[in-house]
Amino acid sequence: DAGVIQSPRHEVTEMGQEVTLRCKPISGHNSLFWYRQTMMRGLELLIYFNNNVPIDDSGMPEDRFSAKMPNASFSTLKIQPSEPRDSAVYFCASSITGTGIEQYFGPGTRLTVT
Amino acid sequence: RKEVEQDPGPFNVPEGATVAFNCTYSNSASQSFFWYRQDCRKEPKLLMSVYSSGNEDGRFTAQLNRASQYISLLIRDSKLSDSATYLCVVNTQGAQKLVFGQGTRLTINP
Repeated sequence: DAGVIQSPRHEVTEMGQEVTLRCKPISGHNSLFWYRQTMMRGLELLIYFNNNVPIDDSGMPEDRFSAKMPNASFSTLKIQPSEPRDSAVYFCASSITGTGIEQYFGPGTRLTVT
Repeated sequence: RKEVEQDPGPFNVPEGATVAFNCTYSNSASQSFFWYRQDCRKEPKLLMSVYSSGNEDGRFTAQLNRASQYISLLIRDSKLSDSATYLCVVNTQGAQKLVFGQGTRLTINP
């Protein structure tokens, strides 16, 4: 069975450029989560969706970050413009709402902004 | 104060030893508790849920102390393959999001 799919796996970009990260959740899962992980701050929830609707975006660091979920099988996290402090691993996770909260994580996108 | 706090380690123990980690949480309304495992440069994966009565899964035992608001994980007869970062995770009733601790890094030495 396919797990959560993320692309790209690695992204290196220059400060000021737009970055788009992509996620395909597990089929049948109706909740999707975007996390960011750094050594200093650990794993932080940025935003999550239930049934394609954003429920809590309080973790989004600033207006440079935006996320969309146009349908049940696809989500994007966009950073525009990117800054060196955005360098991190970005994970997408999915789950079935109301089933006990286990979340399945994708392999992550390692972003480096120079 | 962080909502979930863990000793970051690193813990270095010999193969076959028993090792235990604790984690504390600040929100008394927390209802669900988990341990996730994260291997180096990989994604976190659920290791086990933590139940009020305590629970065991092979060499792993998880305990919950609601009065003191801490969770523990005990690993017996540790294997080289247990080397990883162990993340303490808490969920608050009515909220779907999980709050992750910083993780405790464990290295099992031959």
